Amino acid sequence: DVKVTQSSRYLVKRTGEKVFLECVQDMDHENMFWYRQDPGLGLRLIYFSYDVKMKEKGDIPEGYSVSREKKERFSLILESASTNQTSMYLCASSSGIGNTIYFGEGSWLTVV
Amino acid sequence: GQQVMQIPQYQHVQEGEDFTTYCNSSTTLSNIQWYKQRPGGHPVFLIQLVKSGEVKKQKRLTFQFGEAKKNSSLHITATQTTDVGTYFCAGPGAGGTSYGKLTFGQGTILTVHP
Repeated sequence: DVKVTQSSRYLVKRTGEKVFLECVQDMDHENMFWYRQDPGLGLRLIYFSYDVKMKEKGDIPEGYSVSREKKERFSLILESASTNQTSMYLCASSSGIGNTIYFGEGSWLTVV
Repeated sequence: GQQVMQIPQYQHVQEGEDFTTYCNSSTTLSNIQWYKQRPGGHPVFLIQLVKSGEVKKQKRLTFQFGEAKKNSSLHITATQTTDVGTYFCAGPGAGGTSYGKLTFGQGTILTVHP
């Protein structure tokens, strides 16, 4: 089975802090994604990566950056956390083009 | 950019009633995927439809892909409490390096009253 592991399930951070969310997948997938999920807004794509060191902006990249130094690992960075970034963050991976996406368990971030 | 709209946003049904959620894309899709997210969980893949007019069934769930490949539906017959959750449709990007990503609809939250 594909496993997508997010390092932190629950985090509480202060406004202005730098936040790292880590994600690792074990299926050698080319594509990795970071989504944000908020009530009534569904899943919104923040960034995705189709190869090591390659990335593309999603629908809501402002306030976020990403890093993919190794194929299995995709990190989401909040340079200066703000309260409007309180949300659930979902990491995901897939192989090839238009294929099934496998999600991690999610990381609940609260910024106070 | 590509938009995927899903309706309704919420649906409350009595156990045993049927349920349908609809998905519409602003562009023609090469395929459409459906995911289910249980309360407190993460989205899990249900099915992928590829062909125009395709219909697939999984027990009480029936998935359809429109002839124009711009819309899709998920129908659940005789809902059970285990069907509770949020159902998402998703379509791939239009091309180039965007082709690896999916755009998700807003999801339909299904509540089933016993």
